[in-house]
Amino acid sequence: DTAVSQTPKYLVTQMGNDKSIKCEQNLGHDTMYWYKQDSKKFLKIMFSYNNKELIINETVPNRFSPKSPDKAHLNLHINSLELGDSAVYFCASSQGRPGILGGYTFGSGTRLTVV
Amino acid sequence: QQPVQSPQAVILREGEDAVINCSSSKALYSVHWYRQKHGEAPVFLMILLKGGEQKGHEKISASFNEKKQQSSLYLTASQLSYSGTYFCGPLDQGAQKLVFGQGTRLTINP
Repeated sequence: DTAVSQTPKYLVTQMGNDKSIKCEQNLGHDTMYWYKQDSKKFLKIMFSYNNKELIINETVPNRFSPKSPDKAHLNLHINSLELGDSAVYFCASSQGRPGILGGYTFGSGTRLTVV
Repeated sequence: QQPVQSPQAVILREGEDAVINCSSSKALYSVHWYRQKHGEAPVFLMILLKGGEQKGHEKISASFNEKKQQSSLYLTASQLSYSGTYFCGPLDQGAQKLVFGQGTRLTINP
Protein backbone atom coordinates (compact mmCIF):
# COMPACT_ATOMS: atom_id res chain seq x y z
CA ASP A 1 0.00 0.00 0.00
CA THR A 2 1.71 3.16 -1.23
CA ALA A 3 1.87 5.87 1.46
CA VAL A 4 2.00 8.90 -0.89
CA SER A 5 1.00 8.22 -4.46
CA GLN A 6 1.27 10.59 -7.39
CA THR A 7 -0.16 10.30 -10.85
CA PRO A 8 0.99 10.38 -13.53
CA LYS A 9 4.60 9.32 -13.11
CA TYR A 10 5.60 10.81 -16.47
CA LEU A 11 3.99 13.66 -18.35
CA VAL A 12 5.13 14.86 -21.76
CA THR A 13 3.18 17.73 -23.23
CA GLN A 14 3.43 20.65 -25.60
CA MET A 15 3.90 24.28 -24.65
CA GLY A 16 0.67 26.06 -23.96
CA ASN A 17 -1.22 23.00 -22.77
CA ASP A 18 -2.91 22.64 -19.38
CA LYS A 19 -2.14 19.62 -17.20
CA SER A 20 -2.86 18.28 -13.71
CA ILE A 21 -0.93 16.14 -11.27
CA LYS A 22 -2.75 14.28 -8.52
CA CYS A 23 -1.50 13.27 -5.10
CA GLU A 24 -3.03 11.11 -2.40
CA GLN A 25 -1.69 10.03 0.99
CA ASN A 26 -3.01 7.28 3.24
CA LEU A 27 -0.85 8.08 6.26
CA GLY A 28 -3.44 10.21 8.04
CA HIS A 29 -1.12 13.22 7.85
CA ASP A 30 -2.67 16.66 8.09
CA THR A 31 -0.17 18.63 5.98
CA MET A 32 0.71 18.20 2.32
CA TYR A 33 3.23 19.92 0.08
CA TRP A 34 4.28 20.40 -3.51
CA TYR A 35 8.01 20.63 -4.23
CA LYS A 36 9.70 21.23 -7.56
CA GLN A 37 13.09 19.65 -8.29
CA ASP A 38 15.01 21.13 -11.18
CA SER A 39 17.77 19.58 -13.27
CA LYS A 40 20.37 20.62 -10.68
CA LYS A 41 18.51 18.66 -8.01
CA PHE A 42 17.43 21.79 -6.15
CA LEU A 43 14.25 21.02 -4.17
CA LYS A 44 12.06 24.10 -3.92
CA ILE A 45 8.79 24.31 -2.05
CA MET A 46 5.82 25.61 -3.98
CA PHE A 47 2.74 25.14 -1.84
CA SER A 48 1.60 23.68 1.45
CA TYR A 49 -1.83 22.81 2.79
CA ASN A 50 -2.78 22.03 6.35
CA ASN A 51 -6.20 20.41 6.76
CA LYS A 52 -7.29 21.79 3.37
CA GLU A 53 -6.11 25.31 4.23
CA LEU A 54 -3.40 26.91 2.11
CA ILE A 55 -0.56 27.92 4.42
CA ILE A 56 2.35 28.35 2.06
CA ASN A 57 2.18 29.94 -1.34
CA GLU A 58 5.70 30.62 -2.55
CA THR A 59 6.63 32.94 -5.39
CA VAL A 60 5.22 30.70 -8.06
CA PRO A 61 3.59 31.86 -11.33
CA ASN A 62 -0.17 32.03 -10.95
CA ARG A 63 -0.37 29.51 -13.79
CA PHE A 64 0.15 26.97 -10.99
CA SER A 65 -2.94 26.36 -8.89
CA PRO A 66 -3.12 23.80 -6.09
CA LYS A 67 -6.33 22.34 -4.79
CA SER A 68 -6.95 20.23 -1.71
CA PRO A 69 -10.43 18.70 -1.66
CA ASP A 70 -9.67 16.97 1.65
CA LYS A 71 -6.63 16.47 3.83
CA ALA A 72 -5.66 13.25 2.04
CA HIS A 73 -5.51 14.80 -1.43
CA LEU A 74 -3.54 17.62 -2.99
CA ASN A 75 -3.65 18.28 -6.70
CA LEU A 76 -1.64 20.65 -8.86
CA HIS A 77 -3.03 22.20 -12.00
CA ILE A 78 -0.74 24.01 -14.41
CA ASN A 79 -2.04 26.30 -17.13
CA SER A 80 -0.27 27.41 -20.30
CA LEU A 81 2.76 25.21 -19.76
CA GLU A 82 6.19 26.67 -20.58
CA LEU A 83 9.52 25.02 -21.33
CA GLY A 84 10.85 26.20 -17.95
CA ASP A 85 8.17 24.20 -16.16
CA SER A 86 10.01 21.01 -17.07
CA ALA A 87 11.09 19.41 -13.80
CA VAL A 88 10.22 16.66 -11.36
CA TYR A 89 7.32 17.58 -9.08
CA PHE A 90 7.14 15.88 -5.72
CA CYS A 91 4.18 15.69 -3.44
CA ALA A 92 4.94 15.18 0.26
CA SER A 93 3.05 14.88 3.51
CA SER A 94 3.80 15.27 7.20
CA GLN A 95 2.04 15.26 10.51
CA GLY A 96 1.98 18.72 11.97
CA ARG A 97 3.50 21.71 10.35
CA PRO A 98 6.15 21.78 9.27
CA GLY A 99 7.01 18.25 10.17
CA ILE A 100 8.35 18.86 13.64
CA LEU A 101 6.68 15.67 14.80
CA GLY A 102 8.40 13.66 12.12
CA GLY A 103 9.81 13.68 8.64
CA TYR A 104 8.21 14.26 5.31
CA THR A 105 7.03 11.30 3.24
CA PHE A 106 7.50 11.99 -0.44
CA GLY A 107 5.61 10.59 -3.37
CA SER A 108 7.56 8.98 -6.21
CA GLY A 109 7.46 12.17 -8.27
CA THR A 110 6.03 13.28 -11.60
CA ARG A 111 8.56 13.99 -14.32
CA LEU A 112 7.07 16.76 -16.44
CA THR A 113 8.61 17.45 -19.83
CA VAL A 114 7.34 20.38 -21.85
CA VAL A 115 8.27 20.31 -25.55
CA GLN B 1 17.22 31.60 2.69
CA GLN B 2 18.73 28.36 1.48
CA PRO B 3 21.10 26.52 3.85
CA VAL B 4 24.57 25.70 2.59
CA GLN B 5 25.83 22.14 2.42
CA SER B 6 29.43 21.07 2.07
CA PRO B 7 30.98 19.36 0.31
CA GLN B 8 28.89 19.48 -2.84
CA ALA B 9 30.11 16.05 -3.87
CA VAL B 10 32.27 13.31 -2.41
CA ILE B 11 33.56 10.02 -3.78
CA LEU B 12 34.52 7.25 -1.39
CA ARG B 13 35.56 3.64 -1.46
CA GLU B 14 33.37 1.18 0.36
CA GLY B 15 34.26 1.15 4.05
CA GLU B 16 35.45 4.76 4.21
CA ASP B 17 33.85 7.47 6.33
CA ALA B 18 32.25 10.74 5.26
CA VAL B 19 30.95 13.91 6.90
CA ILE B 20 28.40 16.22 5.34
CA ASN B 21 27.89 19.66 6.84
CA CYS B 22 24.86 21.93 6.75
CA SER B 23 24.95 25.59 7.77
CA SER B 24 22.13 28.08 8.13
CA SER B 25 22.04 31.85 8.49
CA LYS B 26 19.10 31.56 10.90
CA ALA B 27 18.76 30.41 14.49
CA LEU B 28 17.59 26.81 14.27
CA TYR B 29 14.96 24.80 16.07
CA SER B 30 15.52 21.49 14.33
CA VAL B 31 17.15 19.84 11.35
CA HIS B 32 15.91 17.16 8.96
CA TRP B 33 18.14 14.90 6.87
CA TYR B 34 17.06 13.07 3.71
CA ARG B 35 18.68 10.80 1.14
CA GLN B 36 17.63 10.64 -2.50
CA LYS B 37 18.80 7.87 -4.79
CA HIS B 38 18.96 8.51 -8.49
CA GLY B 39 15.50 8.57 -10.06
CA GLU B 40 13.76 8.11 -6.71
CA ALA B 41 12.04 10.27 -4.12
CA PRO B 42 13.86 11.73 -1.12
CA VAL B 43 13.64 9.47 1.91
CA PHE B 44 13.58 10.76 5.46
CA LEU B 45 16.60 9.69 7.54
CA MET B 46 16.23 11.54 10.81
CA ILE B 47 15.20 14.69 12.60
CA LEU B 48 17.19 16.39 15.32
CA LEU B 49 15.13 18.49 17.67
CA LYS B 50 17.41 19.63 20.42
CA GLY B 51 20.65 21.49 20.46
CA GLY B 52 23.55 19.11 20.70
CA GLU B 53 21.34 16.13 19.99
CA GLN B 54 22.86 13.24 18.14
CA LYS B 55 20.89 10.54 16.46
CA GLY B 56 21.80 7.35 14.70
CA HIS B 57 20.35 5.38 11.86
CA GLU B 58 22.30 2.17 11.09
CA LYS B 59 25.84 3.53 10.58
CA ILE B 60 24.55 6.98 9.78
CA SER B 61 24.42 9.50 12.60
CA ALA B 62 24.04 13.24 12.91
CA SER B 63 24.73 16.07 15.30
CA PHE B 64 23.07 19.42 15.72
CA ASN B 65 24.71 22.55 17.11
CA GLU B 66 22.02 25.19 17.40
CA LYS B 67 24.45 27.87 18.57
CA LYS B 68 26.59 27.43 15.50
CA GLN B 69 23.44 27.08 13.40
CA GLN B 70 24.75 23.93 11.81
CA SER B 71 24.33 20.19 11.61
CA SER B 72 26.60 17.41 10.42
CA LEU B 73 25.78 13.98 9.02
CA TYR B 74 28.28 11.20 9.66
CA LEU B 75 28.46 8.08 7.49
CA THR B 76 30.66 5.41 9.01
CA ALA B 77 32.12 2.45 7.13
CA SER B 78 30.12 3.42 4.09
CA GLN B 79 28.26 0.80 2.07
CA LEU B 80 27.38 0.83 -1.61
CA SER B 81 23.76 1.40 -0.63
CA TYR B 82 24.68 4.77 0.90
CA SER B 83 25.21 6.30 -2.52
CA GLY B 84 22.83 9.12 -3.33
CA THR B 85 22.26 12.81 -2.76
CA TYR B 86 21.87 13.95 0.83
CA PHE B 87 19.78 16.95 1.73
CA CYS B 88 19.52 18.84 4.98
CA GLY B 89 16.43 20.83 5.89
CA PRO B 90 16.92 23.13 8.85
CA LEU B 91 13.94 24.73 10.53
CA ASP B 92 13.84 27.97 12.45
CA GLN B 93 11.38 28.56 15.28
CA GLY B 94 8.58 30.12 13.26
CA ALA B 95 9.16 28.12 10.11
CA GLN B 96 6.22 26.89 8.13
CA LYS B 97 8.28 24.95 5.63
CA LEU B 98 11.44 22.97 5.04
CA VAL B 99 13.94 24.81 2.86
CA PHE B 100 16.44 22.25 1.65
CA GLY B 101 20.12 22.69 1.07
CA GLN B 102 21.50 22.24 -2.43
CA GLY B 103 22.39 18.63 -1.70
CA THR B 104 25.61 16.64 -1.36
CA ARG B 105 26.17 13.91 -3.91
CA LEU B 106 27.80 10.86 -2.35
CA THR B 107 29.27 8.15 -4.56
CA ILE B 108 30.50 4.92 -2.99
CA ASN B 109 32.74 2.75 -5.17
CA PRO B 110 33.58 -0.92 -4.47
